[in-house]
Amino acid sequence: GAVVSQHPSWVICKSGTSVKIECRSLDFQATTMFWYRQFPKQSLMLMATSNEGSKATYEQGVEKDKFLINHASLTLSTLTVTSAHPEDSSFYICSAAGQGLEAFFGQGTRLTVV
Amino acid sequence: DAKTTQPTSMDCAEGRAANLPCNHSTISGNEYVYWYRQIHSQGPQYIIHGLKNNETNEMASLIITEDRKSSTLILPHATLRDTAVYYCIVNLPGTASKLTFGTGTRLQVTL
Repeated sequence: GAVVSQHPSWVICKSGTSVKIECRSLDFQATTMFWYRQFPKQSLMLMATSNEGSKATYEQGVEKDKFLINHASLTLSTLTVTSAHPEDSSFYICSAAGQGLEAFFGQGTRLTVV
Repeated sequence: DAKTTQPTSMDCAEGRAANLPCNHSTISGNEYVYWYRQIHSQGPQYIIHGLKNNETNEMASLIITEDRKSSTLILPHATLRDTAVYYCIVNLPGTASKLTFGTGTRLQVTL
């Protein structure tokens, strides 16, 4: 399958700071990327959908000013958690979809806010 | 999107076939059945997908009933590394689709 790389795989940051997570499709062009969040022992919850060159579409209840998404190219999308708080600690996962029928996921980023 | 129903958990002995069922009785005619799995602390891994015909790849087989209201994912020879949460998702294909994850089936492969 296609390869989606997510970086960093884990990060610890202080409360009030911002953290950027990168999601790259390594061997295909991703016209659409998705960002998910997963709390312990829960399923993945979609946060937002981003299309290259346009603004992201956020799911209900997700603050767009707190979770900034940029999809500047067909191989890169970034998620920035601004003014992070301990309750933002979670496992963040991206997926990318190209012209095929399936989406491929990154390995996830574990964010811990202290 | 159609919803799916899966058992919460299943056990399987190593070397045996693991058969994971999924009900999707409200699936529409152009929705595909997708299977992903998530090993602990990793991103989901794509396994297989199908529309109405049975499908097989190097990882698994997908059996879809004729009325498309249910399907079964088959891991022919389960190993300990197949221990994971398996998600059955029905969805439209293509770049406009977004996957909605349910609770999945936690498969535990044992010696």
